[in-house]
Amino acid sequence: SQQGEEDPQALSIQEGENATMNCSYKTSINNLQWYRQNSGRGLVHLILIRSNEREKHSGRLRVTLDTSKKSSSLLITASRAADTASYFCAPRRGNEKLTFGTGTRLTIIP
Amino acid sequence: KAGVTQTPRYLIKTRGQQVTLSCSPISGHRSVSWYQQTPGQGLQFLFEYFSETQRNKGNFPGRFSGRQFSNSRSEMNVSTLELGDSALYLCASSFLGLAGYEQYFGPGTRLTVT
Repeated sequence: SQQGEEDPQALSIQEGENATMNCSYKTSINNLQWYRQNSGRGLVHLILIRSNEREKHSGRLRVTLDTSKKSSSLLITASRAADTASYFCAPRRGNEKLTFGTGTRLTIIP
Repeated sequence: KAGVTQTPRYLIKTRGQQVTLSCSPISGHRSVSWYQQTPGQGLQFLFEYFSETQRNKGNFPGRFSGRQFSNSRSEMNVSTLELGDSALYLCASSFLGLAGYEQYFGPGTRLTVT
């Protein structure tokens, strides 16, 4: 199996600004999923992008995928205090186990 | 559809005891995975069950075990609890969609070992 490596490890921005976080992985994938985790809670599924897609939108979220560079990015536009959380990417290949990196800790400053 | 449910949500046990955690997947999902999350080690994969069979396994000692029932509900058991087993235990269910496997998590069970 493989895990995604999120970058940066921590990010602080002003409310209303855009936040971008990146994910890198090592082998071919079928899809890549992004999750959000608020402190001490379960992971919330944000968005899934297929390996043959390059970009996907969901509300204020925009995800890109570059399979040639084995990387993905998550953009959150017009950030809100409620976006403060840790964000994880999860590249998936077949039925291999899904493992996780350390995530990006996003802090929105009011 | 109801999401992944985990019971109990909070649990306090004493060192040396054993504990059983339960997970009910989203209806129609046949795969259930378990994770342990601690501040020091992050999110670590324990095991995955699919159609009552263990399909993938992480690097945890034999004190950690699991099983899956015919209705896809899963239980995880930890025997001879140690202080270091204090963690958030997350369950996730998966289904095979057009884009490959999609995985959804439950709210977790917070286990404290004293």
